[in-house]
Amino acid sequence: NAGVTQTPKFRILKIGQSMTLQCAQDMNHNYMYWYRQDPGMGLKLIYYSVGAGITDKGEVPNGYNVSRSTTEDFPLRLELAAPSQTSVYFCASSLETGWQYFGPGTRLTVT
Amino acid sequence: GENVEQHPSTLSVQEGDSAVIKCTYSDSASNYFPWYKQELGKRPQLIIDIRSNVGEKKDQRIAVTLNKTAKHFSLHITETQPEDSAVYFCAASRGGSNDYKLSFGAGTTVTVRA
Repeated sequence: NAGVTQTPKFRILKIGQSMTLQCAQDMNHNYMYWYRQDPGMGLKLIYYSVGAGITDKGEVPNGYNVSRSTTEDFPLRLELAAPSQTSVYFCASSLETGWQYFGPGTRLTVT
Repeated sequence: GENVEQHPSTLSVQEGDSAVIKCTYSDSASNYFPWYKQELGKRPQLIIDIRSNVGEKKDQRIAVTLNKTAKHFSLHITETQPEDSAVYFCAASRGGSNDYKLSFGAGTTVTVRA
């Protein structure tokens, strides 16, 4: 099992550009999550999904969008990137038991 | 929503001593409390978790205690080693009814001095 994978590892965006962060898991987990982690801070939930076709907002959804067309994939879309979106983005997945497995993260810089 | 507070924000201990990190939560419906360890530049990884029907759980040198009445839970690391140096996060969740969203504390940076 590869677990939770994320691409890209690093990305630099200019203000106003858009991009999609990819996340995939091969553990057949129903639940998937996107977090952002600002330097020296905890994790803030952006969006989550409880199954294919079902998504919902977390604490900090503004400026982001998600889709979940399959159990395996949960991409995060940034539209009109802003410097405030500079952060490390983690994708995670879990079964109903709540134990969340995290991907390696994507380090995004918006300049 | 749930609010999780974590203390201290930094903790320096001598190798071999114990480390204790405390968290409080606000939502009385929360019943799942995991702890994650994050090494520099790495992903968070679960090290131990506890559910509300248990007061204490141990796994080798780490233990977690839960006081539901007071709405706080703690992580205890005994006989600390250099590899315990990392950032530790507590979290809380309702853990049921299709609600496994985690609310995280701000983290504790633990440094183990040789």
